[in-house]
Amino acid sequence: DQQVKQNSPSLSVQEGRISILNCDYTNSMFDYFLWYKKYPAEGPTFLISISSIKDKNEDGRFTVFLNKSAKHLSLHIVPSQPGDSAVYFCARVQTGANNLFFGTGTRLTVIP
Amino acid sequence: DAGVTQSPTHLIKTRGQQVTLRCSPKSGHDTVSWYQQALGQGPQFIFQYYEEEERQRGNFPDRFSGHQFPNYSSELNVNALLLGDSALYLCASSLPHRGAYGYTFGSGTRLTVV
Repeated sequence: DQQVKQNSPSLSVQEGRISILNCDYTNSMFDYFLWYKKYPAEGPTFLISISSIKDKNEDGRFTVFLNKSAKHLSLHIVPSQPGDSAVYFCARVQTGANNLFFGTGTRLTVIP
Repeated sequence: DAGVTQSPTHLIKTRGQQVTLRCSPKSGHDTVSWYQQALGQGPQFIFQYYEEEERQRGNFPDRFSGHQFPNYSSELNVNALLLGDSALYLCASSLPHRGAYGYTFGSGTRLTVV
């Protein structure tokens, strides 16, 4: 049962514009949602997280929004930079567990 | 400060063979988790080791087994390899009180089964 879904496999954005990456979930028994960034030949690196009791979390150019009624979260990157080009995964931490459930990822390409 | 180290980086095995992948956790971390990332998919949890014991396991067959050593390093063993086992295998280390929230991932081992 895939409980986090990223329906857009790819996204292209012009440098300086906003990138919006989306993730849907089907179950609300979570502590946190997390976003990871992955470059080729590297492991995923933690980017930003949000607690299931919050609506928004911001860290520099990165903001994550959580819409609990729609069971939807999104990652906003403003302004987008060419170095942001990578695969972005959303993930959730299930209550009481120590493992992550990942979405299938969205490949972001920022065009200079 | 070395991060998570995985070896080898790439290997090719024949169907039916056995393989062992290795992971050294980040300094100060004592919990190791293994994930499988098939092509076009997100990483999937295989199992987690803490205090040399398997603490939690995902939906993987018994062909997948592991071990953690007293120095916290870990091995992932896969027996009777199938073509579908071809994937990137990621190791992540963490502190136990941080759980999955505090993962540091290695760069992975790319396994190709032919």
